[in-house]
Amino acid sequence: GAVVSQHPSWVICKSGTSVKIECRSLDFQATTMFWYRQFPKQSLMLMATSNEGSKATYEQGVEKDKFLINHASLTLSTLTVTSAHPEDSSFYICSARDFGDEKLFFGSGTQLSVL
Amino acid sequence: AQSVSQHNHHVILSEAASLELGCNYSYGGTVNLFWYVQYPGQHLQLLLKYFSGDPLVKGIKGFEAEFIKSKFSFNLRKPSVQWSDTAEYFCAVNSYNTDKLIFGTGTRLQVFP
Repeated sequence: GAVVSQHPSWVICKSGTSVKIECRSLDFQATTMFWYRQFPKQSLMLMATSNEGSKATYEQGVEKDKFLINHASLTLSTLTVTSAHPEDSSFYICSARDFGDEKLFFGSGTQLSVL
Repeated sequence: AQSVSQHNHHVILSEAASLELGCNYSYGGTVNLFWYVQYPGQHLQLLLKYFSGDPLVKGIKGFEAEFIKSKFSFNLRKPSVQWSDTAEYFCAVNSYNTDKLIFGTGTRLQVFP
C-alpha cells in the first residue's frame, strides 16, 4: 500500500533554533499534503494544507511565519519550525492525498522537544 | 465550527469482550466520517469510512461503525476484541466539500489476554 515517510521521527533542539520536518509520498503523487499537530491527550489539530506549487493555506491561529511550509514537488512537503520555543514542543504529523484515488495516508509523526 | 467528541479516553477490556467506542460530531451539513487506528509505534491508518449509502459500515479486522444521522453519531464496534486490537482509535469528520479532517481526541484501547 501507499506509504508516507516522515523524518525525523523525533528531534530535540535548543530554543531559538529552527527545525525542518520532511514528509514524502513514496509511491504516489500527492498534490495536497496536510500538517497536523497533536498535544498530549488532545486531538490532532490541522495546522495547514500544503498544495504543490502554491502557497500553503494556514488554519486560523497558526502563524505562517513561524511554521514555514514548502511543497516543491509532488512527493515532498516540508514543515520548518522557525525560532522554536518550548511551547512548540508537540507531535507533528503529515498526511498526503493520493492524487490517483483520493485516499489519505499518514506519516509516522515527529516528536519535537524544544529545550 | 465542526467538532468531534470521543467519550471514552481510555478503555480496558479482556479478550473476547465486545467493544463500542462513542463518537459524536457537530456539523449541520453533509459529512464524511472516518475511524482511524494507530497501533503502537505505527502510522495512523484508516479503519473504515462512511461517505453515503448503507449507514452500517464494515471495515478491516472485524470492525464496523454505524452512522446515525439523527444522533450525529458514528460509533465504532467490534463483537469480540483481540489483544492485537490494542491501539489508539481516532474518529474524524470532514464536511462534504472540503479536504480538512477534524479529529476527536482519541480513545486508547488496551486489551488484556
